[in-house]
Amino acid sequence: AQSVTQLDSHVSVSEGTPVLLRCNYSSSYSPSLFWYVQHPNKGLQLLLKYTSAATLVKGINGFEAEFKKSETSFHLTKPSAHMSDAAEYFCVVSARNAGNMLTFGGGTRLMVKP
Amino acid sequence: KAGVTQTPRYLIKTRGQQVTLSCSPISGHRSVSWYQQTPGQGLQFLFEYFSETQRNKGNFPGRFSGRQFSNSRSEMNVSTLELGDSALYLCASSLWMREASDNSPLHFGNGTRLTVT
Repeated sequence: AQSVTQLDSHVSVSEGTPVLLRCNYSSSYSPSLFWYVQHPNKGLQLLLKYTSAATLVKGINGFEAEFKKSETSFHLTKPSAHMSDAAEYFCVVSARNAGNMLTFGGGTRLMVKP
Repeated sequence: KAGVTQTPRYLIKTRGQQVTLSCSPISGHRSVSWYQQTPGQGLQFLFEYFSETQRNKGNFPGRFSGRQFSNSRSEMNVSTLELGDSALYLCASSLWMREASDNSPLHFGNGTRLTVT
């Protein structure tokens, strides 16, 4: 069984300041981990994924995430927020033998103030 | 290349009716997955099809069903609609099922928003 907990339902930052979205996971197997972003009335877009290669994963739009097995965490960061980053972000876990059956966290809504 | 196309974008039905949603995957993609998104339950996996066969199924009642055609297009059907079925239904496609290849990212459509009154 696997689960994902996103520790903050809402995060508010000022434009140009760092972003930190927190995610803890639980998985019986060696998991694959993902971050997806969803803009209003849109589908989901993959930001980055971890699949047991490097623990620091770089994604699109300047986002990156670090896999910490000892802490079962996969936090998403960005050095400098942009207004266009305002969206909902989902941390996702999948077992390797589960096809495309993804388990989503509850989501974190990121607000960026000018 | 066209993305994942879901039709219709919006749908309003009444309790007890049935509904069929359609998903056209990216050309060449053979795996299609369906997800339900609600404010209360978040995003939940419904089922996945690959080569016209259901490969994985989430924890939903039998009122939720789907199928995949030989051209990889997929439909999902919900019978005897309940108010709680109101949701955004997202379809996603990938080249293969992930277990076959890690280089097979999932591409999502913009969803069908179903409202049950």
